[in-house]
Amino acid sequence: QKEVEQDPGPLSVPEGAIVSLNCTYSNSAFQYFMWYRQYSRKGPELLMYTYSSGNKEDGRFTAQVDKSSKYISLFIRDSQPSDSATYLCAMTTNFGNEKLTFGTGTRLTIIP
Amino acid sequence: ETGVTQSPTHLIKTRGQQVTLRCSSQSGHNTVSWYQQALGQGPQFIFQYYREEENGRGNFPPRFSGLQFPNYSSELNVNALELDDSALYLCASSLGGGGYNSPLHFGNGTRLTVT
Repeated sequence: QKEVEQDPGPLSVPEGAIVSLNCTYSNSAFQYFMWYRQYSRKGPELLMYTYSSGNKEDGRFTAQVDKSSKYISLFIRDSQPSDSATYLCAMTTNFGNEKLTFGTGTRLTIIP
Repeated sequence: ETGVTQSPTHLIKTRGQQVTLRCSSQSGHNTVSWYQQALGQGPQFIFQYYREEENGRGNFPPRFSGLQFPNYSSELNVNALELDDSALYLCASSLGGGGYNSPLHFGNGTRLTVT
């Protein structure tokens, strides 16, 4: 079993829809949780990071962490064609330790 | 502010050869991490360098080695290349030292193909 599980998709939604992306994990020591966006032929770009459980909002993006269920989510509101990319969840035990454990990524397409 | 840059962007090598990949970290960052991303997979941690010393290593064999230079740039060396080494190699820099809220900033990677 992988430490971090993420549905690879692909996921296609119409423009303007709310997108929900999710990851589950098995290591209860993970405390820092991140979402990266990766466009084709590019490196991952940090979207959001949160510490421990709770919600964090940044514009159209909301990250949620439920440590009791070992479940994290990323919501994208008012989705745009430019949001089409692969979304990677990542987590680590300590932000002073840059070893991140990534999910496999979910490929998202927003249909105009 | 200059981001993370990697060279070359693409590389084709033959099985058994050696390869060196290069990375310049983002201005002000003192820690460099290397990741391997196979097609359709998430990045896998190879190792991290902090102040020119290896500071953590993932589940990769010793033929994967690295260096960090005084200007915080870095190299990844892979000896005795195998077909399974074909992947996107990502370099990421951050401001390390413990206790910092320091997310990783990635370069666009080097696409290595081993034939």
